[in-house]
Amino acid sequence: NAGVMQNPRHLVRRRGQEARLRCSPMKGHSHVYWYRQLPEEGLKFMVYLQKENIIDESGMPKERFSAEFPKEGPSILRIQQVVRGDSAAYFCASSPKQGGLGETQYFGPGTRLLVL
Amino acid sequence: SQELEQSPQSLIVQEGKNLTINCTSSKTLYGLYWYKQKYGEGLIFLMMLQKGGEEKSHEKITAKLDEKKQQSSLHITASQPSHAGIYLCGADPYNNNDMRFGAGTRLTVKP
Repeated sequence: NAGVMQNPRHLVRRRGQEARLRCSPMKGHSHVYWYRQLPEEGLKFMVYLQKENIIDESGMPKERFSAEFPKEGPSILRIQQVVRGDSAAYFCASSPKQGGLGETQYFGPGTRLLVL
Repeated sequence: SQELEQSPQSLIVQEGKNLTINCTSSKTLYGLYWYKQKYGEGLIFLMMLQKGGEEKSHEKITAKLDEKKQQSSLHITASQPSHAGIYLCGADPYNNNDMRFGAGTRLTVKP
């Protein structure tokens, strides 16, 4: 059973370009979470999605960032008009049911975004 | 909001030595997760603790959630270079999928 997959593993963008990060959850998992890890900082929750629904996006910046989890295909985290401060590692996690008590989130390897 | 503080921030030990990492919460923990992050890589789930006093082991790593459920400790016995990495404790304090993490403990094991 393959784990959570993220691609690309490394992404370099120039300021003003768009970054698209993909996350394929573990087989059988319908809940996806995105986290951001800034250099020398901890992991911060961004958004929680189920298939075709955004459940909680309280941790996501209001501008330039969007996320989706379509019925078919991977979850996408999209960052428009990237700035240098967006440089970070973006981790995706998945779980088979709603997270929280007793439900482990399994993490992908992360996508390291570098904005030049 | 729930704050998770980890100590120490970094730890350097000689191979074969035992070590302990602590995670202290400002609020009661209703579930605590330990993850390991290898340098430049993703997070690996180690274990989850739910009940006060609960103790779980995975290979040479043991974690415990204290009775008052505001602190967890991770203990590694006879450390090896493969144990090196960043250990993160995490909790979902409001059971709403917004997992919070500690800042991590960076472990180096010298051969």
